[in-house]
Amino acid sequence: AQTVTQSQPEMSVQEAETVTLSCTYDTSESDYYLFWYKQPPSRQMILVIRQEAYKQQNATENRFSVNFQKAAKSFSLKISDSQLGDAAMYFCASQTGANSKLTFGKGITLSVRP
Amino acid sequence: KAGVTQTPRYLIKTRGQQVTLSCSPISGHRSVSWYQQTPGQGLQFLFEYFSETQRNKGNFPGRFSGRQFSNSRSEMNVSTLELGDSALYLCASSLSGVRGNEQFFGPGTRLTVL
Repeated sequence: AQTVTQSQPEMSVQEAETVTLSCTYDTSESDYYLFWYKQPPSRQMILVIRQEAYKQQNATENRFSVNFQKAAKSFSLKISDSQLGDAAMYFCASQTGANSKLTFGKGITLSVRP
Repeated sequence: KAGVTQTPRYLIKTRGQQVTLSCSPISGHRSVSWYQQTPGQGLQFLFEYFSETQRNKGNFPGRFSGRQFSNSRSEMNVSTLELGDSALYLCASSLSGVRGNEQFFGPGTRLTVL
């Protein structure tokens, strides 16, 4: 069974600063995808960033980047130059096997202080 | 392109009733997945449909069922509602539902069971 663990329920960051959200996962699969999703207060979940396990290079999307440590089964999200609009719940998720089922962590609530 | 739409957005039912939720995927997407989101359990996978066939199922009782139509629209049904079924039900669509495909989420249906 796949598990995704987000141990920090809440974090806070000052606007324009950098914050790192932690995630660990467990899978026996060799090929899988990892994702970070953002769920703002309006509730529509959107994809922030995606990482394929076979790719050694860490994924980057503008101000968002990941630190993927495959051996440690760690997948953290770094948000640089934090903006007020980054305030949301962030979910780490894994996707294994042949289908698209996502296994989510419990999520972390990020607040951004002006 | 229009996003994933879900109707209704809010529902209030009483215990023992049944409910049907609807999801219209992004045009061209053939895979639809359903997730239940609660404060206690987080996001849990219900099932996935592809080309009118249930391809994957989560660990939920048989009271939860779904179907997909030829136009890829999907419905999920919950019979004999229990208080614990109160949740946000999210639908997600993807092109083919294979691993790595981005899933696009709808705004959700908030179900309250009294």
